[in-house]
Amino acid sequence: AQKITQTQPGMFVQEKEAVTLDCTYDTSDPSYGLFWYKQPSSGEMIFLIYQGSYDQQNATEGRYSLNFQKARKSANLVISASQLGDSAMYFCAMREGRQSGTYKYIFGTGTRLKVLA
Amino acid sequence: DSGVTQTPKHLITATGQRVTLRCSPRSGDLSVYWYQQSLDQGLQFLIQYYNGEERAKGNILERFSAQQFPDLHSELNLSSLELGDSALYFCASSVTAGIFQETQYFGPGTRLLVL
Repeated sequence: AQKITQTQPGMFVQEKEAVTLDCTYDTSDPSYGLFWYKQPSSGEMIFLIYQGSYDQQNATEGRYSLNFQKARKSANLVISASQLGDSAMYFCAMREGRQSGTYKYIFGTGTRLKVLA
Repeated sequence: DSGVTQTPKHLITATGQRVTLRCSPRSGDLSVYWYQQSLDQGLQFLIQYYNGEERAKGNILERFSAQQFPDLHSELNLSSLELGDSALYFCASSVTAGIFQETQYFGPGTRLLVL
């Protein structure tokens, strides 16, 4: 079974609009972390936002916010006021393994976002 | 610029060969992570070193090995290369072992092509 599922292979959004990128995860580890990364066409990976499993509030970083719904095991990324520079591949990732002491980092297959002018 | 450097940027080699990829973490970062990104496998975590010791292990093949040196730079050795090893190899670094909230800063990657 997929540990991290990103069901949207590609999405379009109009400039200045908000967009939500979906991510669901599966783990039995009570302590885990969830990350979102951006990968522009140039190839580098850019960290965007982090949510810990015990964090009470949703994480926010500038125009990025993470809609964390623990019971649903979802960690959707919301980008507000989209900009042309937001066009990129976005990866959801999970770090688990604290209980076992062996950490693993698992990435989803990504969502390609295209911002339209 | 994340502050993580990787060399070389591009590498072309033949099947059966061995290559070494190098990573220098950000100043002050003790952890180094290696990832492989290929078209068919997506982004896969390979291995993590923290202050010279192996800290976490992912989907790393036995033909691959890594180490972190006293100056904290790391090398990923890939041997008996196969066509399927062609991929973008990322190195990332973080301040601590990654137990709590920990931002990983990625390098620009090394693009390996095995012919």
